[in-house]
Amino acid sequence: QQQVKQSPQSLIVQKGGISIINCAYENTAFDYFPWYQQFPGKGPALLIAIRPDVSEKKEGRFTISFNKSAKQFSLHIMDSQPGDSATYFCAAPGPVDNRLAFGKGNQVVVIP
Amino acid sequence: GAVVSQHPSRVICKSGTSVKIECRSLDFQATTMFWYRQFPKQSLMLMATSNEGSKATYEQGVEKDKFLINHASLTLSTLTVTSAHPEDSSFYICSAKPGVNTEAFFGQGTRLTVV
Repeated sequence: QQQVKQSPQSLIVQKGGISIINCAYENTAFDYFPWYQQFPGKGPALLIAIRPDVSEKKEGRFTISFNKSAKQFSLHIMDSQPGDSATYFCAAPGPVDNRLAFGKGNQVVVIP
Repeated sequence: GAVVSQHPSRVICKSGTSVKIECRSLDFQATTMFWYRQFPKQSLMLMATSNEGSKATYEQGVEKDKFLINHASLTLSTLTVTSAHPEDSSFYICSAKPGVNTEAFFGQGTRLTVV
């Protein structure tokens, strides 16, 4: 599996602020890059995903930005809310069997 | 989005017994399902890829005889933890994809505790 590196490991943001988390990946032959949100004791839920034919995708307060040349994509959470406090995983499909490789996760804590 | 249902959500079993976890895609067919294991505050570790109608592909270091996977239909994959021991206690999560280059949808996870 390819490596996917996330940063920062954890993030504390004031309510209403912007949370930014980043993901760097290695070579990939596929064109799909998702972010997942996971709450304690629950399975990950797909939050937003992007294909590299666009550089940015916005869904509500969540924006994903993609930089193909740098092999990076990031998640921006606008107007962060305490309910956004969760662990966020980025993933990238590897070249074999389309298996997703996950990063180690970013823990985001939004304080009131 | 598509729904993947995993059952049970929690199970406690005695050491030496076997436990079966089910993963169902409710509104789509999945030729491939994936099984993950997650330790507290860590990432998802892929255990195996489950292929309908054929043998599962296990990741390096995962014991095939310990973690039996069966993908009998396009909507159901099962993971059986055989002769469970306390070190098998973990959070197990399945995922399924409607197609090759599509999103992966995850089940709710199963918290296994072996006592």
